[in-house]
Amino acid sequence: DAGVIQSPRHEVTEMGQEVTLRCKPISGHDYLFWYRQTMMRGLELLIYFNNNVPIDDSGMPEDRFSAKMPNASFSTLKIQPSEPRDSAVYFCASRPSSGRGYTGELFFGEGSRLTVL
Amino acid sequence: SQKIEQNSEALNIQEGKTATLTCNYTNYSPAYLQWYRQDPGRGPVFLLLIRENEKEKRKERLKVTFDTTLKQSLFHITASQPADSATYLCASGNNAGNMLTFGGGTRLMVKP
Repeated sequence: DAGVIQSPRHEVTEMGQEVTLRCKPISGHDYLFWYRQTMMRGLELLIYFNNNVPIDDSGMPEDRFSAKMPNASFSTLKIQPSEPRDSAVYFCASRPSSGRGYTGELFFGEGSRLTVL
Repeated sequence: SQKIEQNSEALNIQEGKTATLTCNYTNYSPAYLQWYRQDPGRGPVFLLLIRENEKEKRKERLKVTFDTTLKQSLFHITASQPADSATYLCASGNNAGNMLTFGGGTRLMVKP
């Protein structure tokens, strides 16, 4: 299995530009999570989906952030307009529903490092 | 508010010794705790899960404890190796929801 795939791995943009981050979860996983990681705040949950439906977006910092999951194999996180304080590493993670021996572990992608100048 | 905290200072130990990392939580009672390893520039990787009714869990050189009285989990790596150098994250979850709350992580450096 290829694991969770994120793109781009690195993005440098200027303030005010639109940024789109992409994620392909592991096939068969029902849950998809978007996290943001910074030195100051650690890993913060932004939003998660179950069966392509957004369940909790209380972690999305502002209306400038939006996330979609048009199908089971693709999700996007969009920031429009971007600001320097959005600079962080954005992680996508997925996991299956409960099953035998279920541990609830999250499978993370390698992250997208965003720098907004 | 719910808080889960780890020692933000790096832990430096000598190869062969046991590394012990601490995770403390306040103002809630998680149903389980998970521990992840994160290498620089990589995503976190799951290591172990321990539930609230379990006192201890082991996996190879790893051991995790869960003390609901102290509101604390300890993560041990025995016979540590330089390859164990990484940041270790604890995360808490409850049975009602699907959201994990992560601590800030502790960086472990094992010197040869």
